[in-house]
Amino acid sequence: ETGVTQTPRHLVMGMTNKKSLKCEQHLGHNAMYWYKQSAKKPLELMFVYSLEERVENNSVPSRFSPECPNSSHLFLHLHTLQPEDSALYLCASSQGIKWRQEKNTEAFFGQGTRLTVV
Amino acid sequence: DAKTTQPPSMDCAEGRAANLPCNHSTISGNEYVYWYRQIHSQGPQYIIHGLKNNETNEMASLIITEDRKSSTLILPHATLRDTAVYYCIVSPGGKLIFGQGTELSVKP
Repeated sequence: ETGVTQTPRHLVMGMTNKKSLKCEQHLGHNAMYWYKQSAKKPLELMFVYSLEERVENNSVPSRFSPECPNSSHLFLHLHTLQPEDSALYLCASSQGIKWRQEKNTEAFFGQGTRLTVV
Repeated sequence: DAKTTQPPSMDCAEGRAANLPCNHSTISGNEYVYWYRQIHSQGPQYIIHGLKNNETNEMASLIITEDRKSSTLILPHATLRDTAVYYCIVSPGGKLIFGQGTELSVKP
């Protein structure tokens, strides 16, 4: 148990569906991240939130829409996805982001949501 | 892009020490060396990190060369449950950029 919880653990959705992935952290951290891991590939950083503000968006298609309503919760809203979007989606949190000169700790990851788009 | 170089795979006998190398010749002065591992289809697990000095915790030891251009993660007594992909990452903190890692297989 890392203190970062993701739901659901598994999700199958059609290309016309709308769904959301949820991440919750109980560590008192103020930075949260979404990563994508496709089969046989390294983790790819998608979005970075610091103090509920999106500070990084790594050229992610608009069919992925993140939301951070407070420092403990992070969502990834999905709509009109493609089969190639099938992957393991991982959430992480940390205390601070170094380039903002805040005290920083290591990042902790959730167990991920295995998404299959059919 | 990841700023580290790791061997793609390594084998280790159960009960022996596993020494995983990492090259990070372009590391900046404010960047830490982090190690994570990922057991099949699970979220990455934090292992250890360091800046300049060697570090040890209940999981592993981290040896960083004096010029900080390379490091070694040591699992002192590898078990079958240590079979995983091990990632060496340099970062000022928070955001992590993952490379391909080293796939460590611990064999009986």
